[in-house]
Amino acid sequence: DTAVSQTPKYLVTQMGNDKSIKCEQNLGHDTMYWYKQDSKKFLKIMFSYNNKELIINETVPNRFSPKSPDKAHLNLHINSLELGDSAVYFCASSLGTASLRGYTFGSGTRLTVV
Amino acid sequence: GQSLEQPSEVTAVEGAIVQINCTYQTSGFYGLSWYQQHDGGAPTFLSYNALDGLEETGRFSSFLSRSDSYGYLLLQELQMKDSASYFCAVRAPMDSNYQLIWGAGTKLIIKP
Repeated sequence: DTAVSQTPKYLVTQMGNDKSIKCEQNLGHDTMYWYKQDSKKFLKIMFSYNNKELIINETVPNRFSPKSPDKAHLNLHINSLELGDSAVYFCASSLGTASLRGYTFGSGTRLTVV
Repeated sequence: GQSLEQPSEVTAVEGAIVQINCTYQTSGFYGLSWYQQHDGGAPTFLSYNALDGLEETGRFSSFLSRSDSYGYLLLQELQMKDSASYFCAVRAPMDSNYQLIWGAGTKLIIKP
């Protein structure tokens, strides 16, 4: 199936740990994003890559580091996890940065830090 | 600053029509998008308006008035499965890499 797939779907971990979330899209899109959705459902852009180049790097703690090995993959590594990092993280992709067709989102990774 | 305003919650009856409004204040404008998100699910793209007027896609329509910095999503013949959160988003200018600026979402509650 063509889609944006991210793993894992659920992640429960202790404070201070390091974790990674992986994202892959097979839609042929060239732009990928990481979003954080908090408990109030507000969607906040974290990073965006266009053809493996970082183009959006919002104000997020430097404990968060994205990596795009190729334009079909965008991973997110988080160091020294904190309670406030608990949220749902969505990967998304689009054809170009100004696509009229909108973004395609992955199913999300629910991160719980305990 | 840049902001979008939409109601936090709207309630409607199954079979009825509901309108979800969105007003925006942004430094540039390249289009208004709407996304639907069911509880526990991912946002899914519904529509995009770059020009003034009404765009219709089945039971859903989206309207834009650039002079009023205003748009709305119209849902007709409401079904229980339309219960979800609806987000409006404005595409910012090129110097912001056209990123989307998101509203806080409107929770649509449908009663039988």
